[in-house]
Amino acid sequence: EPEVTQTPSHQVTQMGQEVILRCVPISNHLYFYWYRQILGQKVEFLVSFYNNEISEKSEIFDDQFSVERPDGSNFTLKIRSTKLEDSAMYFCASKYLTGLEGNTIYFGEGSWLTVV
Amino acid sequence: GIQVEQSPPDLILQEGANSTLRCNFSDSVNNLQWFHQNPWGQLINLFYIPSGTKQNGRLSATTVATERYSLLYISSSQTTDSGVYFCAVEDPGNTGKLIFGQGTTLQVKP
Repeated sequence: EPEVTQTPSHQVTQMGQEVILRCVPISNHLYFYWYRQILGQKVEFLVSFYNNEISEKSEIFDDQFSVERPDGSNFTLKIRSTKLEDSAMYFCASKYLTGLEGNTIYFGEGSWLTVV
Repeated sequence: GIQVEQSPPDLILQEGANSTLRCNFSDSVNNLQWFHQNPWGQLINLFYIPSGTKQNGRLSATTVATERYSLLYISSSQTTDSGVYFCAVEDPGNTGKLIFGQGTTLQVKP
C-alpha cells in the first residue's frame, strides 16, 4: 500500500522555538493536509494545500503556522514560536482527487511534538 | 459545518465477543472513512465506504448514506483490536478535508 512518511516521529522543543515538521506525500497525490490531535482528543483539521497554495485553513491555523511545498516531494509545517498548547500529534495526509468516489485520504504515522 | 457523532464513546469487551460501532453525520457526504488508532498513535485506514457494505476479515462496515449513518462491525474481537476507532467524513466543500468524530475507545480483555 502507498505510504505517507513523516519526520521526525517525536520532537521535544523549548517554548518559543521554531519547529518544522516534514512530510513526503504519496507521489501522484495532488491534495495535501495537516491535522492535529491533542492527547485524548479527536483529530482536527489544520490546513489543506493544493496547486502550491493553501486552499483552506481552520481557526487553529493562525499566523504562527505556515506550510510549504519547497520541492516536488516534501510538504512541511512550520510553527514559528511554539507554545505549550501546541503539544500534540501532527498528522500529514494526502489525496489524489476530491469530491469523487474512490479517493481515500492516506495519513502518515504522525509527528509527536512536545513543547516544554 | 458538518457534525460527526460516534457511539458508544467507550466499549469494553471480552475476547471473542462481537461489537457494533456507530457513526452519525449531519449532511450528505462524498466520502466516509473508518480508522483505527493503535496504541502508538498511528491512524490505520480500515475502510473507505461512502455507501454500501464492505468486509475485510473480521471487520465489516456499512454506510446508509440516505439516512446519514455508518456502522463498523467487529466480530470475534481480539486484544489487538483495542484502541480508538474514528469515523471521518469529507466536508462537502472543495478541499476534501475530513471531519472526525470523537472516536470510540475499545478495550478487548483476554
